[in-house]
Amino acid sequence: GGIITQTPKFLIGQEGQKLTLKCQQNFNHDTMYWYRQDSGKGLRLIYYSITENDLQKGDLSEGYDASREKKSSFSLTVTSAQKNEMAVFLCASSIAGLGPSGQLYFGEGSKLTVL
Amino acid sequence: SQWGEENLQALSIQEGEDVTMNCSYKTYTTVVQWYRQKSGKGPALIILIRSNEREKRSGRLRATLDTSSQSSSLSITGTLATDTAVYFCAIRSSGSWQLIFGSGTQLTVMP
Repeated sequence: GGIITQTPKFLIGQEGQKLTLKCQQNFNHDTMYWYRQDSGKGLRLIYYSITENDLQKGDLSEGYDASREKKSSFSLTVTSAQKNEMAVFLCASSIAGLGPSGQLYFGEGSKLTVL
Repeated sequence: SQWGEENLQALSIQEGEDVTMNCSYKTYTTVVQWYRQKSGKGPALIILIRSNEREKRSGRLRATLDTSSQSSSLSITGTLATDTAVYFCAIRSSGSWQLIFGSGTQLTVMP
């Protein structure tokens, strides 16, 4: 088995601040994802990376940057934190090339609070 | 892609009851994945159903898939308090790397 570790678990920042969330996986998976989960709502895709050195925007990428430093790590930066983007950010990984059957493995999430 | 913007549905039942949650989607897919998310944790896959299966069982879980109506259901029989969680369906359209999640159902099972 493997694990996905997200740091920090709780992140508090000021409005307008640049904030970074980190994700590490030891599954040796090729593909990694960042989702945002607002309270009482579903998951929306921010960024994903099919393989190392790849970066793809999801539907919610505006206001965010991402970086795939190496195969095992994927970071997400909130470029200018706003109060309306307080949410839980979930990192996930999957094996590439499995098509629609490929399942995602998730971390436990990082909760962002903006003051 | 607008799916996740909708509000969670909420269901509250007594332990021992059976429950069915539904999922309708608009993008063609041959596979529907169902995830469960317990409080404070990330979602985890609990059952996956392919279009050639129509019905899939795993323990107390039963999933169905109707590609003609683009809908899937997840049933849990003999619910336990530990089944309390949010349940999401998720699909990946053909040729896409994106796994799109439904808005989810918050299931509360009272002991």
